[in-house]
Amino acid sequence: NAGVTQTPKFRILKIGQSMTLQCAQDMNHNYMYWYRQDPGMGLKLIYYSVGAGITDKGEVPNGYNVSRSTTEDFPLRLELAAPSQTSVYFCASSYGEGYNEQFFGPGTRLTVL
Amino acid sequence: GQNIDQPTEMTATEGAIVQINCTYQTSGFNGLFWYQQHAGEAPTFLSYNVLDGLEEKGRFSSFLSRSKGYSYLLLKELQMKDSASYLCAVTDSNYQLIWGAGTKLIIKP
Repeated sequence: NAGVTQTPKFRILKIGQSMTLQCAQDMNHNYMYWYRQDPGMGLKLIYYSVGAGITDKGEVPNGYNVSRSTTEDFPLRLELAAPSQTSVYFCASSYGEGYNEQFFGPGTRLTVL
Repeated sequence: GQNIDQPTEMTATEGAIVQINCTYQTSGFNGLFWYQQHAGEAPTFLSYNVLDGLEEKGRFSSFLSRSKGYSYLLLKELQMKDSASYLCAVTDSNYQLIWGAGTKLIIKP
């Protein structure tokens, strides 16, 4: 099993550009999450999904969009990138709700200049 | 508001014992997690506590007191590879994880 995979590993964007961060898992988990992690800060939840076709906002959703057309894939879309979106982005998945261990992907380090 | 507090940084010596504390104030409680995160890598699961008491797993143990809103992670026989950040996270009443900022643990020979 590959677990949770993310692409790309690194990306530099110019202000106003758009991009999609890819996330896939092969553990047949229903729950998937997108977090951002800024230096010295805890993980902040951007969006999450409890199953294919169902998504919901987390703590910091502004500037982002998600879709969940399959159980395996959960892409994160950044529209009109801003310097404030410079961060490390982690995708995670879990079998069930918040009492279940989350498995994380390796992360995408994004810089917006 | 919801808040999780951990020390920012701790230093310990190889072979010693270290205790990393975590206090929380959240809307409801459905369990507490500890994750380990090496620099530049993803967090990985260490432990989960939902009942009061001590859970032991090899060199690592985690303690929870729900009445005090307090947990600690105890690491014994420290090894250089234990140098990492340790993240405390609490599941709130909506089953969402609230994350602390993490404690960076530095191990010295």
